[in-house]
Amino acid sequence: KNQVEQSPQSLIILEGKNCTLQCNYTVSPFSNLRWYKQDTGRGPVSLTIMTFSENTKSNGRYTATLDADTKQSSLHITASQLSDSASYICVVSSTDSWGKFQFGAGTQVVVTP
Amino acid sequence: NAGVTQTPKFQVLKTGQSMTLQCAQDMNHEYMSWYRQDPGMGLRLIHYSVGAGITDQGEVPNGYNVSRSTTEDFPLRLLSAAPSQTSVYFCASSYLAERSYNEQFFGPGTRLTVL
Repeated sequence: KNQVEQSPQSLIILEGKNCTLQCNYTVSPFSNLRWYKQDTGRGPVSLTIMTFSENTKSNGRYTATLDADTKQSSLHITASQLSDSASYICVVSSTDSWGKFQFGAGTQVVVTP
Repeated sequence: NAGVTQTPKFQVLKTGQSMTLQCAQDMNHEYMSWYRQDPGMGLRLIHYSVGAGITDQGEVPNGYNVSRSTTEDFPLRLLSAAPSQTSVYFCASSYLAERSYNEQFFGPGTRLTVL
């Protein structure tokens, strides 16, 4: 069973609207959580990284939150743009498994005009 | 800086053929890794390296070999391709740091089809 589950699998939003993506994980002991953006046909690009003590982190219109107690994270996209159309991947690493990361399957976001 | 480069971008093989996927980085990163990405699944780690001469297995190493003779290059070898190895392959690199805090930089990927 995947230790990182993302929801929804996909979503379609209108340009200018906001959306929130969810990530639940069971990885333990927890080290850090990252959100990546992957455009079609390209490699993932890092958006944010959060450690145990960080609750929220922003990168432009992207804001990630982390609740290490409930093992949940969210990525909020504000005022979506057509260029936000991509897959968003949640990645969690453990202090027990240095160099090894658990990847979620991603949420495919499509922004329509 | 070219970042992480991968060649080829596309490849079609017949079952049983061998080939090498190339990966190079010019950021002097100690850590390099190979992943495969399949539809509906997260990226899965194949092999990784923490420096020249040091490699280790990831989650799905069977059917793949790696070596790291220089800091810059980390090739992935398929000795006898199988249809189950049809996938998109990504190479990634980062600085070596305790607790994996450092950002990983990914290459553009190689799309491999095995017939």
